[in-house]
Amino acid sequence: DADVTQTPRNRITKTGKRIMLECSQTKGHDRMYWYRQDPGLGLRLIYYSFDVKDINKGEISDGYSVSRQAQAKFSLSLESAIPNQTALYFCATSEATGGETQYFGPGTRLLVL
Amino acid sequence: AQSVTQPDIHITVSEGASLELRCNYSYGATPYLFWYVQSPGQGLQLLLKYFSGDTLVQGIKGFEAEFKRSQSSFNLRKPSVHWSDAAEYFCAVGAITGNTPLVFGKGTRLSVIA
Repeated sequence: DADVTQTPRNRITKTGKRIMLECSQTKGHDRMYWYRQDPGLGLRLIYYSFDVKDINKGEISDGYSVSRQAQAKFSLSLESAIPNQTALYFCATSEATGGETQYFGPGTRLLVL
Repeated sequence: AQSVTQPDIHITVSEGASLELRCNYSYGATPYLFWYVQSPGQGLQLLLKYFSGDTLVQGIKGFEAEFKRSQSSFNLRKPSVHWSDAAEYFCAVGAITGNTPLVFGKGTRLSVIA
């Protein structure tokens, strides 16, 4: 079984809808991250969490919110989806040490119509 | 804060040719450096990382990278490219304090031709 899983893997939604992307990990890591990937823009950090009680905004948090339900679960919500949120979304995890290696999930491809 | 630049957006090489992908970083202390690969339709996979010690780092799939402090670089190399190496490659830099997330470059897309 994969260490970092994301659901759904693909999603099509309409403008204005609320949508949640979920991430689960079995690596026992404290730190979790949400990124979006757009062609030519690389990976941009949306939110990150260093432990269950810690939530931090990343580079592009506007229009997104997150919930850290447990050490193993970190969800990303789009409160009111818009077309320019169409992207590939990745969840990642890492240990709570310096120079952490990040481990990525397979990604969720989101299309907002 | 740290930053990373990958100057080449897209590189095309012939199968069997050598490869070098460039990465330059900015950070006030000795950084932690990473190379990740993203194959089409896949997530990111760690190729190799540099924390300290030997500046030439060996990774998976025959890749290596060299940390050059004087040039603030961490270039990725492979002596002979295979068609299966076609992918997107990301360089990332981390702070030695560990209290900020990794910062990723925008990526270099590698195409391999016969």
